[in-house]
Amino acid sequence: DAKTTQPPSMDCAEGRAANLPCNHSTISGNEYVYWYRQIHSQGPQYIIHGLKNNETNEMASLIITEDRKSSTLILPHATLRDTAVYYCIARYNTDKLIFGTGTRLQVFP
Amino acid sequence: KAGVTQTPRYLIKTRGQQVTLSCSPISGHRSVSWYQQTPGQGLQFLFEYFSETQRNKGNFPGRFSGRQFSNSRSEMNVSTLELGDSALYLCASSGAEETQYFGPGTRLLVL
Repeated sequence: DAKTTQPPSMDCAEGRAANLPCNHSTISGNEYVYWYRQIHSQGPQYIIHGLKNNETNEMASLIITEDRKSSTLILPHATLRDTAVYYCIARYNTDKLIFGTGTRLQVFP
Repeated sequence: KAGVTQTPRYLIKTRGQQVTLSCSPISGHRSVSWYQQTPGQGLQFLFEYFSETQRNKGNFPGRFSGRQFSNSRSEMNVSTLELGDSALYLCASSGAEETQYFGPGTRLLVL
């Protein structure tokens, strides 16, 4: 599984877009990019995943660069409840999830 | 559709005891994975079961074991508990699309 690199922490004002970057320069052609988040002491929550194309769902948008070496998770209108640790994971679809240290996003009023 | 459920949610044991944790997957999901989360090591993969067979295994000692039943419910067991086994134990289930959905976890404290 490819290693991912994320900034350890980020801040975002409530109501603004939160853009969380992730580098995965060694990702293979069949590895998906998954995003999860974990709010303090709860189980990780699935957000979104993609292979090549940009993806959008009710929670977020995922932008993957054309060379697939990096991606950005976008929360379009961050709320205080979006404060959490966000994990970017490169994974073959049937493989285990390997969690790094993630990005701690703090949304402030 | 109901989510992944785990029981018990909290548990206190003493060193040397054994513990069994239970996980009920999302209806229709046949794969169940277990993870351990500690402040020092983060989230680490324990094992995965699919159709009652262990499909994948992480790097944990043999004291950690699991099984899956015909209804896809899964249990994990830890024998001869050590202080370092204190952790949040998370279960995740996945269906045909292979996306893993996590339960709330069982918080185990070993005294």
